[in-house]
Amino acid sequence: DGGITQSPKYLFRKEGQNVTLSCEQNLNHDAMYWYRQDPGQGLRLIYYSQIVNDFQKGDIAEGYSVSREKKESFPLTVTSAQKNPTAFYLCASSTPSGGADTQYFGPGTRLTVL
Amino acid sequence: AQSVTQLGSHVSVSEGALVLLRCNYSSSVPPYLFWYVQYPNQGLQLLLKYTTGATLVKGINGFEAEFKKSETSFHLTKPSAHMSDAAEYFCAVSGGSNYKLTFGKGTLLTVNP
Repeated sequence: DGGITQSPKYLFRKEGQNVTLSCEQNLNHDAMYWYRQDPGQGLRLIYYSQIVNDFQKGDIAEGYSVSREKKESFPLTVTSAQKNPTAFYLCASSTPSGGADTQYFGPGTRLTVL
Repeated sequence: AQSVTQLGSHVSVSEGALVLLRCNYSSSVPPYLFWYVQYPNQGLQLLLKYTTGATLVKGINGFEAEFKKSETSFHLTKPSAHMSDAAEYFCAVSGGSNYKLTFGKGTLLTVNP
């Protein structure tokens, strides 16, 4: 089955630690995205990538970093510089079609800072 | 710039009643509009989308939405609610060559027996 996988489903981090969230897709999509979801806030874009070896900051990139070395993979690192990292993180992918493309979402990773 | 406003963070209906979830958007270019559904602790699933053409869009699970340019609205409806419709619903907009999605803050739908 084609789809997007995110791991782990739950992640606990101590303050001051960096953690990396995994996102893999086998849909052959060019574009990939990371969103952060907080209760009552909707989804906010962290980073996006339209093509391998290229990515752009979204609306709330501070304290996060990404890489896009392979088409299938778009890992997100939450660094110690992120002041309030506890949230639900969603990865998505799409085939760009001038704004009308459908983004397909993974099941999410819930990060909790202890 | 684009924005989305979902009126009502929480909507409660009885099983069998009409579901109406409201979405208004702002866009400087012709918009593409989306409705997604999210069940607890899961990712988002596309319900339906409007790109061009017919303004009444039918989606999965009996939902539909109508694009009204004059009202800048894209409200989601379903004639008869089912218990399985209980979830959070997000409206989103993108436009032109900007493929970035801007999401509303979501509406939590509760269905009472």
